[in-house]
Amino acid sequence: NAGVTQTPKFQVLKTGQSMTLQCAQDMNHEYMSWYRQDPGMGLRLIHYSVGAGITDQGEVPNGYNVSRSTTEDFPLRLLSAAPSQTSVYFCASSYSRGQGHEQYFGPGTRLTVT
Amino acid sequence: AQSVTQPDIHITVSEGASLELRCNYSYGATPYLFWYVQSPGQGLQLLLKYFSGDTLVQGIKGFEAEFKRSQSSFNLRKPSVHWSDAAEYFCAVGAGDYKLSFGAGTTVTVRA
Repeated sequence: NAGVTQTPKFQVLKTGQSMTLQCAQDMNHEYMSWYRQDPGMGLRLIHYSVGAGITDQGEVPNGYNVSRSTTEDFPLRLLSAAPSQTSVYFCASSYSRGQGHEQYFGPGTRLTVT
Repeated sequence: AQSVTQPDIHITVSEGASLELRCNYSYGATPYLFWYVQSPGQGLQLLLKYFSGDTLVQGIKGFEAEFKRSQSSFNLRKPSVHWSDAAEYFCAVGAGDYKLSFGAGTTVTVRA
């Protein structure tokens, strides 16, 4: 198993550009989520999905879109990048509720918006 | 909604000394509790977790944590730290809806 994979590892965008961060998992997990990590703030939930075709907003959803057309993939779209979106982005997935939501994290994407 | 507080932003400890990282949570029912570690430039790795049962849980890399309901705490401990334990540590709490809430993290520096 590759686990949770994310691409790209690094990205630099100009203000106003759009892009998609890719996330895939091969563990047949129902639940997938996106977090952003900023210094002194821990990880904050952007969007999550409890299964294919079902998504919902987390704590900081503004400026981001998601979709979940398959169990394996959960891309995060930045619609019009802003410097405030400079951050490290992590994708995570987990088993069903019976496992207590232990989440498996990808390696992260470091995004800089200039 | 659940929340987590990690009171210590940064801890410096000598190699071979003991380490304790504090975590306090806020949640009305019995939570799911986790400790994750993040080495520089890496993703998060699960150290240990508590769902129910024995309140002292053992994890990887020689770490353990104790759930104390009366204090709403889930502190992480290691009897003797190694230089490789230098990292950032995150406590997280989960409820019944898949979502996790993370603390702000504690950075651990290990001096020789």
